[in-house]
Amino acid sequence: EAEVAQSPRYKITEKSQAVAFWCDPISGHATLYWYRQILGQGPELLVQFQDESVVDDSQLPKDRFSAERLKGVDSTLKIQPAELGDSAMYLCASSVGQGRARYNEQFFGPGTRLTVL
Amino acid sequence: DQQVKQNSPSLSVQEGRISILNCDYTNSMFDYFLWYKKYPAEGPTFLISISSIKDKNEDGRFTVFLNKSAKHLSLHIVPSQPGDSAVYFCAALNTGNQFYFGTGTSLTVIP
Repeated sequence: EAEVAQSPRYKITEKSQAVAFWCDPISGHATLYWYRQILGQGPELLVQFQDESVVDDSQLPKDRFSAERLKGVDSTLKIQPAELGDSAMYLCASSVGQGRARYNEQFFGPGTRLTVL
Repeated sequence: DQQVKQNSPSLSVQEGRISILNCDYTNSMFDYFLWYKKYPAEGPTFLISISSIKDKNEDGRFTVFLNKSAKHLSLHIVPSQPGDSAVYFCAALNTGNQFYFGTGTSLTVIP
């Protein structure tokens, strides 16, 4: 069964350092999402790509976060510099549908657990 | 500013009984709602959705009810099974295509 792959699964870093997460969506899925889930809260959508284009990054803290999906396949989310409040689970998801239905068809990866010391 | 809220962090139900999970939202511009289920160490999986033009949607043991005037939706699971034990998130999409998850409710179904 096809899955969304994420790496690393766990990352510990010190504040002010740079950190990067990688996501490989299910083959053929045009839409890719990055979420941040702080402990005890629901996932928060940071950025959404349609192929290589950003369609929504309204909740991405652009002073320190960046995301790219250069060839419209895999994607990287970067934080520079990391802050203590960035400690969270970072989830990647992908979907193939169009319109509202694409949210029904999101497949999530296992996530990257980030701890900032 | 939490636009989608699940006020009950946890719920326990006996096997075979009904589980009712609740969700409230603040923004009247939300017009599409979804429920996801999440097991430990896994990402969320889609369960059921409802458009604001409907007030009920049913899929097997799962039914979602939407009360637009109260800005409230609920998920009913009947009958509840031990395998339903998970964290349930509601989510909402507004007319500007902005997407928000709730805070989650941990359901435990007791055999």
